[in-house]
Amino acid sequence: LAKTTQPISMDSYEGQEVNITCSHNNIATNDYITWYQQFPSQGPRFIIQGYKTKVTNEVASLFIPADRKSSTLSLPRVSLSDTAVYYCLVDDYKLSFGAGTTVTVRA
Amino acid sequence: ETGVTQTPRHLVMGMTNKKSLKCEQHLGHNAMYWYKQSAKKPLELMFVYSLEERVENNSVPSRFSPECPNSSHLFLHLHTLQPEDSALYLCASSQDQQVHYGYTFGSGTRLTVV
Repeated sequence: LAKTTQPISMDSYEGQEVNITCSHNNIATNDYITWYQQFPSQGPRFIIQGYKTKVTNEVASLFIPADRKSSTLSLPRVSLSDTAVYYCLVDDYKLSFGAGTTVTVRA
Repeated sequence: ETGVTQTPRHLVMGMTNKKSLKCEQHLGHNAMYWYKQSAKKPLELMFVYSLEERVENNSVPSRFSPECPNSSHLFLHLHTLQPEDSALYLCASSQDQQVHYGYTFGSGTRLTVV
């Protein structure tokens, strides 16, 4: 079971770019890297997934170096509504959530 | 609306009551999950069903009893709960248990045991 390490919390201001790095030193060959967002009293919501290099969608970008031992979620120009907990997962078939990173966006 | 519907959204029950949580998905997914999220704690995986068969039971006390009558519905039957069981209970589904993509969560049931 691949374990992940990410910062407990991050603060930012509206309009800034937020980068959250997740360490997963023992990631397995078959593991994908997936990020979820969770607002209070709601279920997590899928944001983005990648295997290697860079993935971009309308919400975020995911940067994965060649060794795949870490990944960085990039949220461009955050707004107050991006305040949430962000989870990094690298389990290939069973979701194991850690504590996540609480991102607080201030005006 | 995510495609996974959980009812009720809120539930208050006494320790001697019996209640059930319901989860429904019409996404055509074959795997369904129950998670528990206590205050300020990570999500804990409770049960996994794949093609209506239970494939995972993470040492959950017997006062929690899951049921999956078909691939679209998942229940969590509750009886003689304890106050420490108060939490947000989340249901999720995915196309296939072995395919790590597109897990969809419901909005959860906020359970309070008094």
